[in-house]
Amino acid sequence: NAGVTQTPKFQVLKTGQSMTLQCAQDMNHEYMSWYRQDPGMGLRLIHYSVGAGITDQGEVPNGYNVSRSTTEDFPLRLLSAAPSQTSVYFCASRRGSNEKLFFGSGTQLSVL
Amino acid sequence: AQTVTQSQPEMSVQEAETVTLSCTYDTSESDYYLFWYKQPPSRQMILVIRQEAYKQQNATENRFSVNFQKAAKSFSLKISDSQLGDAAMYFCAYLNYGGSQGNLIFGKGTKLSVKP
Repeated sequence: NAGVTQTPKFQVLKTGQSMTLQCAQDMNHEYMSWYRQDPGMGLRLIHYSVGAGITDQGEVPNGYNVSRSTTEDFPLRLLSAAPSQTSVYFCASRRGSNEKLFFGSGTQLSVL
Repeated sequence: AQTVTQSQPEMSVQEAETVTLSCTYDTSESDYYLFWYKQPPSRQMILVIRQEAYKQQNATENRFSVNFQKAAKSFSLKISDSQLGDAAMYFCAYLNYGGSQGNLIFGKGTKLSVKP
C-alpha cells in the first residue's frame, strides 16, 4: 500500500514549457485534489475531483488543467508554464467526506 | 465562504515548555471538522489532531490538545513539553461535515521554532 504517490519530486521549467505532474493513489479513494503551497499563503486548492470523470475548480485554477479518467490517477497539467506557477504542489486524496486527507510528498516546481 | 485565519506567522518556545497556536475560522455551518496539520522541513503533511464540531469535548493526542470554542469560532492548539522535533509549520484547516464535495480550507500557517 503506497498511499499517494507524486512524481516528479523536483522540476525546473522554462517559461512557456508544458508539463504534467502525476498523482496516483492505491486506496480506492473517490476524492482527489491538488493544492499549491506558497510562502505566507498556506495551501490553496487548484482543482479537485469527487470521482472518475468528475472534476471541478478550486480557488486558484487558472493556468492548470486536470482530468480523472480512472479512480487511481489525477494528473495536473501546466499548458504554458509561467514564473507565477513556481510553487510546491501537493496531491491529496480521501475516502469519504469526513475522512482524513492523505497527502503526497509534494513536487517542488521552479519556472524560470 | 469559509475562511481560516492564523494570526501568528511565527512562534517560538523553549524546549520542555508549553506553547499555544491560535486559529479562528468563519462559517455559517453548524457541522464541520477542524484539523491541525504539521509540516516539518521534510515537507510531508502530517495530521496532528482533529475535532468534530458536534463534540463538546476537546480532542487530545498525547502532548497535543485543542481548545475548541464553537461560539467564538476559535480552535487553538496547545503543545505541552515541547520537543525539538516539534519545530515545523503548523496549519489549521476546516472541512464541512457530510458534504461529499467538501474541500479542506487551510490557514496561512504558523512557523514554530523550538529553542534547546
